[in-house]
Amino acid sequence: QVQLVQSGAEVKKPGSSVKVSCKASGGTFSSYAISWVRQAPGQGLEWMGRIIPILGIANYAQKFQGRVTITADKSTSTAYMELSSLRSEDTAVYYCARGPHTVYCSSTSCQTGYYYYGMDVWGQGTTVTVSS
Amino acid sequence: DIVMTQTPLSLSVTPGQPASISCKSSQSLLHSDGKTYLYWYLQKPGQPPQLLIYEVSNRFSGVPDRFSGSGSGTDFTLKISRVEAEDVGVYYCMQSIQLLPTFGGGTKVEIK
Repeated sequence: QVQLVQSGAEVKKPGSSVKVSCKASGGTFSSYAISWVRQAPGQGLEWMGRIIPILGIANYAQKFQGRVTITADKSTSTAYMELSSLRSEDTAVYYCARGPHTVYCSSTSCQTGYYYYGMDVWGQGTTVTVSS
Repeated sequence: DIVMTQTPLSLSVTPGQPASISCKSSQSLLHSDGKTYLYWYLQKPGQPPQLLIYEVSNRFSGVPDRFSGSGSGTDFTLKISRVEAEDVGVYYCMQSIQLLPTFGGGTKVEIK
């Protein structure tokens, strides 16, 4: 059973950057997307972007383009989300989750596709507080 | 981006009574592969979201059969046949037919 374990809470100054990690254990890592979703205090869920480790390709929500970088280290089954130019509005709980895409490979090529479970496994969340 | 609209914002339910949550999408979630990429999640206080229903009407592993999902195209419903105390939290619908998944605003369910 796959588990995603995230790094601990962070307190950052406005204008700085934060890097949150998400380590997978107990299952296949590389062929599923790892998405990052954030939740501001008392608010709903907002998808930020994803990476499919086996392809090394990341996609981002337009809102975060230029400020967020998602990477993955296949050797340690760990995904990372770095958010720069932090402002108070970035104060939130950041979650990693498996899905909602996966990769299907034949003997000659791989292509992305939909993961039927959507986002089925979630990390415990990392609280990022941005305050001067 | 696809906008997901949930109603109601909140529900107060007597244990043992049914509950129903509506989710409407701004575009059809039916893909050309014949599947509809609509999901339901429950977020209990202080926890990450947990998957309840995938592809409109399929219960995820371990989800009690009092939860059911239905709908098609742009209109979807989550029903709880008999609400229990452990069902409290915020319910979210989510679409993933587009590269950018989007969530509904959430429906808070509490027990009377």
